[in-house]
Order: sequence, then structure tokens, then C-alpha cells
Amino acid sequence: DPKIIQKPKYLVAVTGSEKILICEQYLGHNAMYWYRQSAKKPLEFMFSYSYQKLMDNQTASSRFQPQSSKKNHLDLQITALKPDDSATYFCASSQGLGANTLYFGAGTRLSVL
Amino acid sequence: AQSVTQPDARVTVSEGASLQLRCKYSYSATPYLFWYVQYPRQGLQLLLKYYSGDPVVQGVNGFEAEFSKSNSSFHLRKASVHWSDSAVYFCAVSIGTGNYKYVFGAGTRLKVIA
Repeated sequence: DPKIIQKPKYLVAVTGSEKILICEQYLGHNAMYWYRQSAKKPLEFMFSYSYQKLMDNQTASSRFQPQSSKKNHLDLQITALKPDDSATYFCASSQGLGANTLYFGAGTRLSVL
Repeated sequence: AQSVTQPDARVTVSEGASLQLRCKYSYSATPYLFWYVQYPRQGLQLLLKYYSGDPVVQGVNGFEAEFSKSNSSFHLRKASVHWSDSAVYFCAVSIGTGNYKYVFGAGTRLKVIA
């Protein structure tokens, strides 16, 4: 059974719309992350959270907003979608923010038309 | 600038042949080093990691990697590849205080042919 659940697996959106990507982890980890993978940038760090608190944000655009409603949830809201946002978005978690093993979900593949 | 370089974007090897995937990093201190694998339509999975000690570390599925401080490298090896090893392999480093951010290389796509 997958321990990190990302929903939906595939998402098609129109330019200018807003979408929320869901991530739940059942590993008991206290740190969660979002990464983005596209043809242009293979694996790009976006955010890290620890105990539901934002620790690091490497996303230049405020259109990307992580939301942590529960300890094991870290959703990603993307507003005013652009075609360049098309990518696979991976949620990951680890036990602590140290140099610990990252566990990844299967990803949400977003296509913006 | 801090970076992780995987110089080979694609590697093709025959089944049963040996494999080496290269990784070089550019950091002033010795980072924590990782290799992850990504199978089609899946997230990344840890193959092995190096923190300190013996420079040769063993991982899952017969993979091993060797750390070289003098060369700033962490190459991945396997003695005999199987068709199921076809995947994308990512080298990663984690360094710094506090947040310990991961930096990933661009990945090497491995294709194992019969």
C-alpha cells in the first residue's frame, strides 16, 4: 500500500484557473516537501514543512501556496495557472529535516492548456 | 556555486553487463550523498546513502556506490544489470545547517537491452 498518497494522478487545467494538489503521508513523518519535475528542470525543490510550519520556500511565484491542515497533510494550491506550470508535482516526506531519506509519492501530472 | 552533476543523460547497456553511473558534486564540505531511482510513472525511491566511514556503500538490488573525496564523486555501480533496472537514476546531496536542503542532479536514464 502506498504510504504517500497524492491525488489526483492526472490533472488537466485551463490557463488562468486554480487547482489544488493533495498529499497525505502515513509514515508518521514530521517533515513534508513539494518537488516539481519537468522537461526543463528535472527535479526542483519547491517547499519544505516541519511540524506544519513552512521552513523553506524556493518558489519565486506566490501563485504556489502550500497548505497544511493536518500534520500528515501538505496540499499545494496553484492559482492563475500557466502552461509553464505543466509538470509532475511530487510530494515527499522524511523523519526530520536533516539529511534523512526522502520518501516520495507517485506524483500528480499537471497539464495546463 | 553548489551543484550536482550527472554527466550522462542517457546510458544504454546490455543485460548482464556491468554498469557505472557517474556523479560529481561541487561543495566546500563533504555532503551527505544519495542515489535515488525513479521507475516509470512512480516517485523516487532510495537506492543507497553515504554519510561517513567506508567509502563503498551497499544498496538495494545489488547496487553499490563509491565515495571519493579527492574527486568529489559518488559513482553508482552494479556488477550485472537486469532489464528491470531500466529507470532514471538521480544522484543527490544534502548539505547545510538547519534545513538540510536536498539538491538533485539532472538524472541519468538507463536503458537495459537484451
